[in-house]
Amino acid sequence: ILNVEQSPQSLHVQEGDSTNFTCSFPSSNFYALHWYRWETAKSPEALFVMTLNGDEKKKGRISATLNTKEGYSYLYIKGSQPEDSATYLCAFPLSGYALNFGKGTSLLVTP
Amino acid sequence: EAGVAQSPRYKIIEKRQSVAFWCNPISGHATLYWYQQILGQGPKLLIQFQNNGVVDDSQLPKDRFSAERLKGVDSTLKIQPAKLEDSAVYLCASSLGAGERNEQFFGPGTRLTVL
Repeated sequence: ILNVEQSPQSLHVQEGDSTNFTCSFPSSNFYALHWYRWETAKSPEALFVMTLNGDEKKKGRISATLNTKEGYSYLYIKGSQPEDSATYLCAFPLSGYALNFGKGTSLLVTP
Repeated sequence: EAGVAQSPRYKIIEKRQSVAFWCNPISGHATLYWYQQILGQGPKLLIQFQNNGVVDDSQLPKDRFSAERLKGVDSTLKIQPAKLEDSAVYLCASSLGAGERNEQFFGPGTRLTVL
């Protein structure tokens, strides 16, 4: 199974800071890239499904970009808030369309 | 719309005991997945069902894990006997169909601790 790599592993920022994380994936046979947010004791929540090279998607203060040729995606959070504290996971579909997840980036936003 | 339901939320057992987890997917979702998330790792697929048939169980440790999805709706995942390394969060997810763009909806997971 091809690996999905995420960096950094963890991040601690102050409220109001903007931040970004990286997801690297195999660029060959690209189908789609999924981003999820997983808050402690809650269900993982889908943020974005990205399919086209150059895609940029936005949901509130969170946005993501996709480069399928070089195999990376960036997730940006503008003006981080404490409620953004969560683990952010990216995932690459397997042949049967189940997801192959990275280890995630754990974000902590303190007031 | 009700989300994916899982029970129990937490379970503590001793090694060599048996345990079962239950999942009720979103109504009408044909595809159901069980993932295992060990601390510090990303979720890993254990088994994928399409209706009541198995699509992928290549990473399911079949000597101790079993899963079924009778009638193509609810699913149960069983571990018998449990080992220490089975301590993890077990996530159930469902999607309308199977496709690379299909969003998967996750339940809150069952956190298993094996002592």
